Amino acid sequence: QKEVEQDPGPLSVPEGAIVSLNCTYSNSAFQYFMWYRQYSRKGPELLMYTYSSGNKEDGRFTAQVDKSSKYISLFIRDSQPSDSAIYLCAMSVAGSGNTPLVFGKGTRLSVIA
Amino acid sequence: GAGVSQSPSNKVTEKGKDVELRCDPISGHTALYWYRQSLGQGLEFLIYFQGNSAPDKSGLPSDRFSAERTGGSVSTLTIQRTQQEDSAVYLCASSLITGIPPTDTQYFGPGTRLTVL
Repeated sequence: QKEVEQDPGPLSVPEGAIVSLNCTYSNSAFQYFMWYRQYSRKGPELLMYTYSSGNKEDGRFTAQVDKSSKYISLFIRDSQPSDSAIYLCAMSVAGSGNTPLVFGKGTRLSVIA
Repeated sequence: GAGVSQSPSNKVTEKGKDVELRCDPISGHTALYWYRQSLGQGLEFLIYFQGNSAPDKSGLPSDRFSAERTGGSVSTLTIQRTQQEDSAVYLCASSLITGIPPTDTQYFGPGTRLTVL
């Protein structure tokens, strides 16, 4: 079993839909949780960075962490065609500046106009 | 300001040849990481440099892989005697070490797409 599990999709939704992306993990030592977005032929870019259990909101994006269930989610409201990308969850034991990240395999999302 | 840059963007080589991949981190970033992204495997950690400390090589898949970081800035990942299974996108990331998220975010370069024929 990999440390971080993420359904690779692909996931296809109509424009305006609410998207839910999820990851589960097995290492209870993970304390920092991130979501990265990766467009085709580009490097991943950070979307959300959370530390504790609970919700964090930024515009149309909400990150949710449930440490008791070892489960994290990213919700995208009012999805747009420009949201079409691969979404990668990542996590680390310590702050991401001084430790390698452990990534999920990524979920490919397509938002259809 | 300038982000992480990597060169070349694409590299096609023949099985058995050596390749060198270059990463220029964000100026002032003391931590530098190499990851590999292959189909079906996702992003996997390879090696990590932090300041003047000995690098964390725990992710290197074989002794054909090595990396160095000169002057605390530019890094080169070298793959010797390339195999077809080495075909992947090699990503470099850099970060500050602040211990205060999100100021210690890892910033990724665009990657080098390596194809071994």
